[in-house]
Amino acid sequence: AAGVIQSPRHLIKEKRETATLKCYPIPRHDTVYWYQQGPGQDPQFLISFYEKMQSDKGSIPDRFSAQQFSDYHSELNMSSLELGDSALYFCASSSYRPLRESSYNEQFFGPGTRLTVL
Amino acid sequence: KNQVEQSPQSLIILEGKNCTLQCNYTVSPFSNLRWYKQDTGRGPVSLTIMTFSENTKSNGRYTATLDADTKQSSLHITASQLSDSASYICVVSAIASGGSYIPTFGRGTSLIVHP
Repeated sequence: AAGVIQSPRHLIKEKRETATLKCYPIPRHDTVYWYQQGPGQDPQFLISFYEKMQSDKGSIPDRFSAQQFSDYHSELNMSSLELGDSALYFCASSSYRPLRESSYNEQFFGPGTRLTVL
Repeated sequence: KNQVEQSPQSLIILEGKNCTLQCNYTVSPFSNLRWYKQDTGRGPVSLTIMTFSENTKSNGRYTATLDADTKQSSLHITASQLSDSASYICVVSAIASGGSYIPTFGRGTSLIVHP
């Protein structure tokens, strides 16, 4: 079965550069979540999208932006990179189901993109 | 391979009732176990976190237990409310060789509370 695809899997950048991470959700999934996991930390929620619209915002820095495209893939754009941005970035996808209409909302996580800022 | 399995996949209960969600894991070396509550399309909210030496942790009407020997955890919700309707995700972290945490996410239990 198809899973969530993230690219690239590894990325090395220098300070003040920009980076773009991509997430391809499972087919027919319409919701995408982005998480950041710093060294020695638990994953932190950054932002989510449903049907190409931002649905929730977490601890995403102003230097970062994200969007979801018509094919439901999502990109996380990171500018003016800082050393502290070095982390593992997870993407997850799900198929939106209002809880009162359906009994299951499963979230699938991708393998992550490891970003290293030098 | 590290794995986290949750059961049931979905659960429907009446408002005011109690319920228990299960999480079984094979994650090594174990660092900590978290339960998250996540509304559809929104970010997860951490309910509890437990390390190896802790076997119970409460947060209001939520009580999590951990049995490190059997590698099982449960989340008990008391006197459920309509606002408890959400997905509950169990996340177990392992300690990597470099000292970082590698999380393994469960697939979640979808809870619906009916009036």
